[in-house]
Amino acid sequence: QQQVKQSPQSLIVQKGGISIINCAYENTAFDYFPWYQQFPGKGPALLIAIRPDVSEKKEGRFTISFNKSAKQFSLHIMDSQPGDSATYFCAASMKGVTTDSWGKLQFGAGTQVVVTP
Amino acid sequence: KAGVTQTPRYLIKTRGQQVTLSCSPISGHRSVSWYQQTPGQGLQFLFEYFSETQRNKGNFPGRFSGRQFSNSRSEMNVSTLELGDSALYLCASSLMVGSDGYTFGSGTRLTVV
Repeated sequence: QQQVKQSPQSLIVQKGGISIINCAYENTAFDYFPWYQQFPGKGPALLIAIRPDVSEKKEGRFTISFNKSAKQFSLHIMDSQPGDSATYFCAASMKGVTTDSWGKLQFGAGTQVVVTP
Repeated sequence: KAGVTQTPRYLIKTRGQQVTLSCSPISGHRSVSWYQQTPGQGLQFLFEYFSETQRNKGNFPGRFSGRQFSNSRSEMNVSTLELGDSALYLCASSLMVGSDGYTFGSGTRLTVV
């Protein structure tokens, strides 16, 4: 079953607008939440990541908001640009008491973002 | 510095054949993970290797296997190919198992006919 649920499936935003993508998880053992950006023909590239001890992290135009009690986190892309048109994936992983769970990224289904000029 | 290199980029195989994909991690990275990406199932974890040992495995049948060499390069093998194995296979490397910041390669696009 999908351990990380991502919405919306697709998003169209005008240049200069804000893109918001949401993710929810069930497993409270997750302790690392990265966002990846993927362009056609390329592998996912790490965009920004957060740990549950902070509620927000900002890097340039990209901000992650994290709500531990609601088990939700979101990506905000401010001042969206046509070059931001890509598929975005949220993910989660945990460092458990055994090595079985280390390093295994659980991905959301992805959100295709289109920024119109 | 060079990124994660995956070869070949594209591959067409016939059902029933086997295939080997290669991944060279970023220099100094010792952990290599493999993922399968399909439109229907998304990105799914296959396995992770560190110090030539498999540290973690996803829910894939035994037809999917891998190995890591002493120079951290990794290969994955799929035997008795099925049509449903058609996918983009991605390799990611990181410094250690479970460390932050996995860097992905561009993948190998496998088509099974």
